[in-house]
Order: sequence, then C-alpha cells, then structure tokens
Amino acid sequence: QKEVEQDPGPLSVPEGAIVSLNCTYSNSAFQYFMWYRQYSRKGPELLMYTYSSGNKEDGRFTAQVDKSSKYISLFIRDSQPSDSATYLCAMSLGGYQKVTFGTGTKLQVIP
Amino acid sequence: EAGVVQSPRYKIIEKKQPVAFWCNPISGHNTLYWYLQNLGQGPELLIRYENEEAVDDSQLPKDRFSAERLKGVDSTLKIQPAELGDSAVYLCASSQSRGGLANNEQFFGPGTRLTVL
Repeated sequence: QKEVEQDPGPLSVPEGAIVSLNCTYSNSAFQYFMWYRQYSRKGPELLMYTYSSGNKEDGRFTAQVDKSSKYISLFIRDSQPSDSATYLCAMSLGGYQKVTFGTGTKLQVIP
Repeated sequence: EAGVVQSPRYKIIEKKQPVAFWCNPISGHNTLYWYLQNLGQGPELLIRYENEEAVDDSQLPKDRFSAERLKGVDSTLKIQPAELGDSAVYLCASSQSRGGLANNEQFFGPGTRLTVL
C-alpha cells in the first residue's frame, strides 16, 4: 500500500463548477499537508499548505485536513479553464525536508 | 526573480549511453533537490543537498546514478549507463530551508524529459 493514495482521474467539469480533489494517507505522523498544481510540461508549483487538522482558504481554493480519518481535500470554487492541470497532494513529517507526493489528479475544466 | 533553470529540456539517448542533467537553483537557495517523476506519478526524491553536502541520497540508485553540487550552487545529475526504465522527467527544486515552513517552500524547475531507446 502506498503511503499516499490519490485518484488519478481524469476529472472533467464544466466552467464554474465546484471541484473536490482528495487524498488518503496511511502515515499518521504526517504533520504538513500541501497541494501542488502542475501544468503540462512544467514543474509543480505550491498552491497551499496546512499544518495539522483544519481548513485553510485562499481565494477560490480551500484546503481541508482530517487527521482522524487520514484524509485531505482541496476544493476549487468557480472553476476556470485556467485551472486545468494536474493537482498533486503532498505531505511531510516536518517542514519541507522530505515530501511524499500523491500520484496526482488530472483536472479539465470545460469552457 | 529567475526561477530554477534546468537543461536540457529534452534528451533522447540509446540504452547504455551516459546522460547528464544540469540545474541552476534560485539565487540564495541553499537546499537543492533532484526528483524523478514517472508518467502519471508524483515526484520521488532522489537526492537532497544542503549547500555542498548530500544529506539524503537514500533513494539514489548509486550503481548508475551520481550527483554533485560543487560550490553549493549548480548541480549535475548523471546516469551511466542509462536503462530503458530510466525514461522519465527529472525535476530539480530548490528552497531556502531557513525559518518557518513558509521559508522552506520548494520551487521546481520545468524538468528534463529523458527518453531512453
């Protein structure tokens, strides 16, 4: 079993839809939880990070962590075609020193 | 501010040939990472440098892979000899790795896409 599980998709939604992306993990020691966005033929870029359980909002993006269920989510409101990318969840035992990535979910927002 | 620079962007070689990838991190970033990303997978850490020192190379296949970071700035990752299974994207990232979590954000380069025939 992989430490981090993520549905690879692809996920296709109409413009303006609310998108929900999810990951589960097995290592209860993970403390930092991150979401990266990766456009085709580009490197990943950090979207959001959270520490421990709870919610964090940044514009149209909301990250949610439920440590009791070992489940994290990223919600995208009012999705735009420019949101079309692969979204990678990632987590770490401490800071950014060693990051374990999910496989990524490919999202397509249809105009 | 310039981002992480990697070259070449694409490389096609025949199996058993050597290949090298180069990375120039963001100025002032003391930590440098090399990752391997297979198609449809997330990045996997190969090696992490703190300045000139390789502090985590546990996932680097040392029989064929080597890396160096002379003077604590640029870095080179080499594969010799390359195998068919090495076809992947090789990503370089850098971070400041000081202070709190926000200062440790990893910035990724565009990657080098290697195809081994």
